[in-house]
Amino acid sequence: NAGVMQNPRHLVRRRGQEARLRCSPMKGHSHVYWYRQLPEEGLKFMVYLQKENIIDESGMPKERFSAEFPKEGPSILRIQQVVRGDSAAYFCASSPGGGGGQPQHFGDGTRLSIL
Amino acid sequence: QKEVEQDPGPLSVPEGAIVSLNCTYSNSAFQYFMWYRQYSRKGPELLMYTYSSGNKEDGRFTAQVDKSSKYISLFIRDSQPSDSATYLCAMSLGAAGNKLTFGGGTRVLVKP
Repeated sequence: NAGVMQNPRHLVRRRGQEARLRCSPMKGHSHVYWYRQLPEEGLKFMVYLQKENIIDESGMPKERFSAEFPKEGPSILRIQQVVRGDSAAYFCASSPGGGGGQPQHFGDGTRLSIL
Repeated sequence: QKEVEQDPGPLSVPEGAIVSLNCTYSNSAFQYFMWYRQYSRKGPELLMYTYSSGNKEDGRFTAQVDKSSKYISLFIRDSQPSDSATYLCAMSLGAAGNKLTFGGGTRVLVKP
């Protein structure tokens, strides 16, 4: 499968714990985007990264959320001290470049449930 | 007011009918327009990708963009039950930023 790979597919955490979501982009893609889909809401942009750089984090909550895309390995979205409102589906997308002419392809998401 | 508006549906059509979907938007700076299909518990799948105004056809799918009216459409001809899904419109500023702004999605049900 050469598509965007996200794991885990489902993640259950208790309030106050940390959640780590992983995303491996499509082969040849060096740009990664994270989106969140809350129940009954559309997809909302969170953060855009290239290898070792955060390009745009305008959609990321200021506290508890962080993202990285290291030189080696997958991109990680990290949520510290999770709360019930963090329950959502988190989708990762990738593109070969960062210009507007580069379509984004999505993974099947990680569904995060907070107990 | 949301930046991209999309009727949530559900839109129910008989098999073989034409499905007509649309979105309106408020930011005239959007340059790239996309339609994604999302099945339950899956990620969005890119269907159509267009730049600026005009029409684009791919198999049973036709996408139209009217930037003067800030209105985009997707038509699905000869609809099949397998087309039953949620359809999301999305758009981006292009060179000024590649993040996608999505509509809320329209749920489509094609009845056999």
